[in-house]
Amino acid sequence: GAVVSQHPSRVICKSGTSVKIECRSLDFQATTMFWYRQFPKKSLMLMATSNEGSKATYEQGVEKDKFLINHASLTLSTLTVTSAHPEDSSFYICSARGGRSEAFFGQGTRLTVV
Amino acid sequence: GENVEQHPSTLSVQEGDSAVIKCTYSDSASNYFPWYKQELGKRPQLIIDIRSNVGEKKDQRIAVTLNKTAKHFSLHITETQPEDSAVYFCAASRGSGSGTYKYIFGTGTRLKVLA
Repeated sequence: GAVVSQHPSRVICKSGTSVKIECRSLDFQATTMFWYRQFPKKSLMLMATSNEGSKATYEQGVEKDKFLINHASLTLSTLTVTSAHPEDSSFYICSARGGRSEAFFGQGTRLTVV
Repeated sequence: GENVEQHPSTLSVQEGDSAVIKCTYSDSASNYFPWYKQELGKRPQLIIDIRSNVGEKKDQRIAVTLNKTAKHFSLHITETQPEDSAVYFCAASRGSGSGTYKYIFGTGTRLKVLA
């Protein structure tokens, strides 16, 4: 299958700072990328859908000013958690889809805000 | 709104037995139904998918059935092995899964295969 790389895999940051997470499709062009948040032993909660070159579409209840998404190229999307707080600590995971039907997931980023 | 219900939330089976996980979706426009397996601390991996133009698909020990009228689909794993232990997620999407259509995920099933 196609390869999606997410970086960093783990990050610890101080409360009030911002953290950027990158999601790259390594061997295909991802026209659409999805960002999820996953709580321990819970399902994948879709945060937003991003299409290359256009603004992301956020799900209800997700603050767009807090979770900034940029999809500047067909191989890269970034999620920036701004002014992070301990309640933002979670597992964030992206998935990417190109011309093929299935979406491929990145390995996820465990964010801990202290 | 769009919703996918998944049952059971946990499932324990003896090695060699079969496991069945069921999902029900609410969006009648959904026409693509993938299943993902997620091992602890790892990314979800696609294991099988089905589109609405077929009722059943099989890949070795894994099969998926779809009932469009009832809006439910099921994952069947036969001859389970300890390495099948993981969390399984179903999902539903429009547009045959392509393009910008999002996936709506079920709540997950934690499968434990007992040796």
